[in-house]
Amino acid sequence: DIQMTQSPSSLSASVGDRVTITCRASQIISTYLNWYQQKPGKAPKLLIYSASSLQSGVPSRFSGSGSGTDFTLTISSLQPEDFATYYCQQSYSTPGFGQGTRLEIK
Amino acid sequence: EVQLVESGGGLVQPGRSLRLSCAASGFTFDDYAMHWVRQAPGKGLEWVSGISWNSGSIGYADSVKGRFTISRDNAKNSLYLQMNSLRAEDTALYYCAKAKGEYGSGSYYFESFDDWGQGTLVTVSS
Repeated sequence: DIQMTQSPSSLSASVGDRVTITCRASQIISTYLNWYQQKPGKAPKLLIYSASSLQSGVPSRFSGSGSGTDFTLTISSLQPEDFATYYCQQSYSTPGFGQGTRLEIK
Repeated sequence: EVQLVESGGGLVQPGRSLRLSCAASGFTFDDYAMHWVRQAPGKGLEWVSGISWNSGSIGYADSVKGRFTISRDNAKNSLYLQMNSLRAEDTALYYCAKAKGEYGSGSYYFESFDDWGQGTLVTVSS
């Protein structure tokens, strides 16, 4: 199975900050990498698919990049509603999620 | 509007069985792969199982292989998860998720999950 490793596991930041979360796959997955946001008590929400494509309705401050084994999710200017947990997920083979990155208010 | 409504969760003793259902509406159900994803209390997301649009491609996480069976009834716009030999570690909120279909793949994988239900809670305890 392909293992997904996110870093950091948690992150404190302020409104207006630029934030980057990294996801690394244990083997090459091309661009079969997706990013989700989850808020407490809510279902996950798709943000980015195919490594860099923005899901409809998602603000443009969210962006994704990468291919092969290394990927990043960037939030260009944090808004109060962005404080949540973020997960990467590979869909190259049997799907698997990273362990999550909890983004907290500093 | 896409709606996915899970049902069938509850409290069950270890070793017993439970069947989850997911009622889908707002899209052409038989055009998309579907998945079950679970989340143990306070933990991260774990993919459980996926099924292609025509049930021709099915996959399971190693943690449930041989115990859980995914199925779908396209005539009823419904997805199911039969869970046998339940263990304490199966305790979780179980989400039904729809594949986005960005690749038009005939497989259960390759695609992201663009719509999710609110989940049904399964608690395995004596």
